[in-house]
This record gives sequence, structure tokens and C-alpha cells, in this order.
Amino acid sequence: DAGITQSPRHKVTETGTPVTLRCHQTENHRYMYWYRQDPGHGLRLIHYSYGVKDTDKGEVSDGYSVSRSKTEDFLLTLESATSSQTSVYFCAISETTNYEQYFGPGTRLTVT
Amino acid sequence: QKEVEQDPGPLSVPEGAIVSLNCTYSNSAFQYFMWYRQYSRKGPELLMYTYSSGNKEDGRFTAQVDKSSKYISLFIRDSQPSDSATYLCAMSVGAAGNKLTFGGGTRVLVKP
Repeated sequence: DAGITQSPRHKVTETGTPVTLRCHQTENHRYMYWYRQDPGHGLRLIHYSYGVKDTDKGEVSDGYSVSRSKTEDFLLTLESATSSQTSVYFCAISETTNYEQYFGPGTRLTVT
Repeated sequence: QKEVEQDPGPLSVPEGAIVSLNCTYSNSAFQYFMWYRQYSRKGPELLMYTYSSGNKEDGRFTAQVDKSSKYISLFIRDSQPSDSATYLCAMSVGAAGNKLTFGGGTRVLVKP
């Protein structure tokens, strides 16, 4: 998985609680992305980062925030989790000279 | 209507057959076209990419892009049981660092 780890790998949480997912890379790539994957929808971009402290919204950003204080870490926070945020979350990275995005192993989040 | 449409399958074929997958899209600005393979409970991995129109071959895999019809295809020759996976098409307007728009994925099952 190209030097990308995600933590936790599985999480069950209750509606209304805050949740933070972490993506860590050892490749020193500039770009980092958070996607969610749901049946019938493929992968949808939540937020992405083009450098430390530089982030922007994706297609489905409502209810999510991100932070990137170091090149290697990209955090995704659900401020107040809802059942509609039950999903598999993937982090991806890419470099300036390459279009290819490398994906992490995913985090399976269940909001009850 | 989704920007990228892909038949969810499942597509079941006997070992050795040709697997034919396709996606249609609506955004004429897409220039970069990719196919990802995703095994169950894993992150996607890049299989093939094509810039603009044309064909590209890599071993048993052939990718085709027809921009005039807004249609892309992936063919897998001499399919193997190890090709059983979900195949996702993805597209972007630009290259490095650009956001990908994914299709919903087609599940393929190659039977021995």
C-alpha cells in the first residue's frame, strides 16, 4: 500500500460523537486525499490537500473537516457523526510529477 | 445523473474468456482516464491509464478511450480467477494533483 497507513482500521461509534481518522504516509508525497466508498457510489472525494496547511473541499465535504500540519499526516474529522457517515474511508496520496494516486487500506466506520 | 456511469455487475465469465468493461461520462473536459482494480476489503490499485483518446495495451489488459462518444473500455484477455475483483474507472481534467471522479465499479467474477 505504498507506505500509507490508516488508523483506526475499524471503528464503531455513536451518533453525535466526534471521530478523527488518521492517514500517515512515508512517501513524502505532496498531495493527500480523503474518499468515502459506499455501495453504488464508487469513491467520492471528501477533502484533499495540496501541501501543509493547504486543503480544499471535494464533492461530499459537508459534515467533515480536515487538517494537515505535517507532510506525512492528514486527519479527517467528523465533528458530530451521523448514521449517513457510515462508510469505508480511504486515504490516497500522489506526487507532483505523477497523476497516479496510491490508496491506503481503508477505515471501516460504523455510526450507530 | 452521475458524471461517470458504470454497470455494477456482477459480470461472471469462465476462466480464459475475455472480460469487457466500460464506462460512460458526461464531462467533456476529462482528459485523463484510469482503471483501478480493487480486491475485497482492500484499497484500489491503478491498472491502466490513458491520456485523451486512443488505445493502450499492457500484457493482458487493453484500455480504449473514445472521447467523441464519451466512452472508455477495459478488456482483459485470458482471464484468470485472480482477476476476480471490482474494477473502477476514474477520470480527471488535469494530471498531477487533480481530483479524480470515479465510476461506481463493476464486480467481476472469473470462474475456474
